[in-house]
Amino acid sequence: DAGVIQSPRHEVTEMGQEVTLRCKPISGHDYLFWYRQTMMRGLELLIYFNNNVPIDDSGMPEDRFSAKMPNASFSTLKIQPSEPRDSAVYFCASSAQTGLLNIQYFGAGTRLSVL
Amino acid sequence: QKEVEQNSGPLSVPEGAIASLNCTYSDRGSQSFFWYRQYSGKSPELIMSIYSNGDKEDGRFTAQLNKASQYVSLLIRDSQPSDSATYLCAVKGGTPLVFGKGTRLSVIA
Repeated sequence: DAGVIQSPRHEVTEMGQEVTLRCKPISGHDYLFWYRQTMMRGLELLIYFNNNVPIDDSGMPEDRFSAKMPNASFSTLKIQPSEPRDSAVYFCASSAQTGLLNIQYFGAGTRLSVL
Repeated sequence: QKEVEQNSGPLSVPEGAIASLNCTYSDRGSQSFFWYRQYSGKSPELIMSIYSNGDKEDGRFTAQLNKASQYVSLLIRDSQPSDSATYLCAVKGGTPLVFGKGTRLSVIA
């Protein structure tokens, strides 16, 4: 399996621009998670989906952030408008619900820089 | 608010020594516990999982769980410079994992 695939790997944009991050989960996984990682705050859960349905978006910092999962093999995280404080590494992860052992597999991440 | 606490480090150990990484969690209902390793500039990768009290060994790694004390630890025996990374403790009560901020380990050759 190719693992969780994220694109782009790096994104540099100017303040006020729209940014779209993409994720393809591992085939057969029914959970998808979006995280943001910074030195100060560590790894923060933004939102997660189960069977393409958003379950908990309480971690989304502001209305500028939105996420969709139109089908089982694709999800997007959009920031509009972007701000310098959004600069971070954004990870997508997926998992299959298997009782206690709910292992999350991470993508390589998207490093976002907002100038 | 479910919390997972780790000492941020850095924890420095000489090559060949035992590295001991610790983690405490607040949710007494937590059922599964994970250790992820994250190299600089890379994504977290799972190295150990445990859900029963006691020890679980996998090669040079041993995870220890004490649910009564709400404490989980990771021991790395015969530490190598390649073990230098940030180690994230993650705890599962409900569906999403709750991650600690990680402990940075430096193994000195």
